[in-house]
Amino acid sequence: AQSVTQPDIHITVSEGASLELRCNYSYGATPYLFWYVQSPGQGLQLLLKYFSGDTLVQGIKGFEAEFKRSQSSFNLRKPSVHWSDAAEYFCAVGAGGNKLVFGAGTILRVKS
Amino acid sequence: EPEVTQTPSHQVTQMGQEVILRCVPISNHLYFYWYRQILGQKVEFLVSFYNNEISEKSEIFDDQFSVERPDGSNFTLKIRSTKLEDSAMYFCASSEMGAGDTQYFGPGTRLTVL
Repeated sequence: AQSVTQPDIHITVSEGASLELRCNYSYGATPYLFWYVQSPGQGLQLLLKYFSGDTLVQGIKGFEAEFKRSQSSFNLRKPSVHWSDAAEYFCAVGAGGNKLVFGAGTILRVKS
Repeated sequence: EPEVTQTPSHQVTQMGQEVILRCVPISNHLYFYWYRQILGQKVEFLVSFYNNEISEKSEIFDDQFSVERPDGSNFTLKIRSTKLEDSAMYFCASSEMGAGDTQYFGPGTRLTVL
């Protein structure tokens, strides 16, 4: 069965520091991969997605993610974090059919 | 920018009652979904809907649940005879195409069963 693992439940970074959120997936074929962000009281907003082609994808708000097939990973990065980036981040895989399988999420705290 | 909307934002109900959660997907989208997130747990897929019928459903989506597109704009999730364990945040989503297309999520309805 498809699964997504986000190893870090909480991450705290200083404003202006770089960020990497980890995501590992389990799926036999080439997956569709997504990162969503959820701010308190808000829905899930798409940051970026990978379908095929270039393994480094750019998203909104200065985020990027790199698909590494050999490591079954799709880590999210940002070179300089802003206080407004504090939120919960979800990695998801579209793995057969129409459904998305989500990771447990990583809560990002930004300290000034 | 078009967005998915959901009503109500919070629903409180007594155990055993029926609830209907409502969603208005993005207007040109053809695929509709319901997910739920029990507090502290992962977002879980419940059901997908296309061309007026269920295209895929999870093990969670048993006879207690049903979905409907009663008109050209609304998409509803009905939960019959609610149980305490149905308390969760329910998210509606829609996409223009099917597998692999971006799903756009609504803000969610928090269901509390007492």
